[in-house]
Amino acid sequence: DTGVSQDPRHKITKRGQNVTFRCDPISEHNRLYWYRQTLGQGPEFLTYFQNEAQLEKSRLLSDRFSAERPKGSFSTLEIQRTEQGDSAMYLCASSLGGLEGNTIYFGEGSWLTVV
Amino acid sequence: AQSVTQPDIHITVSEGASLELRCNYSYGATPYLFWYVQSPGQGLQLLLKYFSGDTLVQGIKGFEAEFKRSQSSFNLRKPSVHWSDAAEYFCAVRSNDYKLSFGAGTTVTVRA
Repeated sequence: DTGVSQDPRHKITKRGQNVTFRCDPISEHNRLYWYRQTLGQGPEFLTYFQNEAQLEKSRLLSDRFSAERPKGSFSTLEIQRTEQGDSAMYLCASSLGGLEGNTIYFGEGSWLTVV
Repeated sequence: AQSVTQPDIHITVSEGASLELRCNYSYGATPYLFWYVQSPGQGLQLLLKYFSGDTLVQGIKGFEAEFKRSQSSFNLRKPSVHWSDAAEYFCAVRSNDYKLSFGAGTTVTVRA
């Protein structure tokens, strides 16, 4: 079990550029989540997938954000036309379904700084 | 909708002293509760969880938490803190659809 892996860990980008983050969940975890965390706050839910299906999207996820999980394994989170307000840590998490799915495991996060 | 309140933004404790972090939740059904710890610039590590059964749960790193339904609380405790316990601690409640709602966190500083 190698844990949830995220890449890149840090990204600095200019306002207006597009960025993409990748998440590799724990193997055999069929649920995958994205959260966003700003300084001094707890993580906030963005979206989640069961296998390749995106089952819920938060209102925080504007139309500049898109997440995919094409084969039910890794996931990408893309932010288009970045704004300074997008600066945050983007956390990926995964879990099993069923009762064991009650425990959600988080990755190390991807820090985004928009300048 | 579920919510979590962590009343203490920052706590300073001496090394070797005991620590208690407060967490109050709001949730209509039986809550599934969690405590996570986050070191600076890192992701979240699960300390412990409560689903059902014994209301005193043991976690990693010597932490424990007690679920009190009458008080809607899930406070985290450690009898003797180590300098390595300095971090930010988050309480969370899970909704029926597996989504976690987090409190704003409590920052713990450990002084020598």
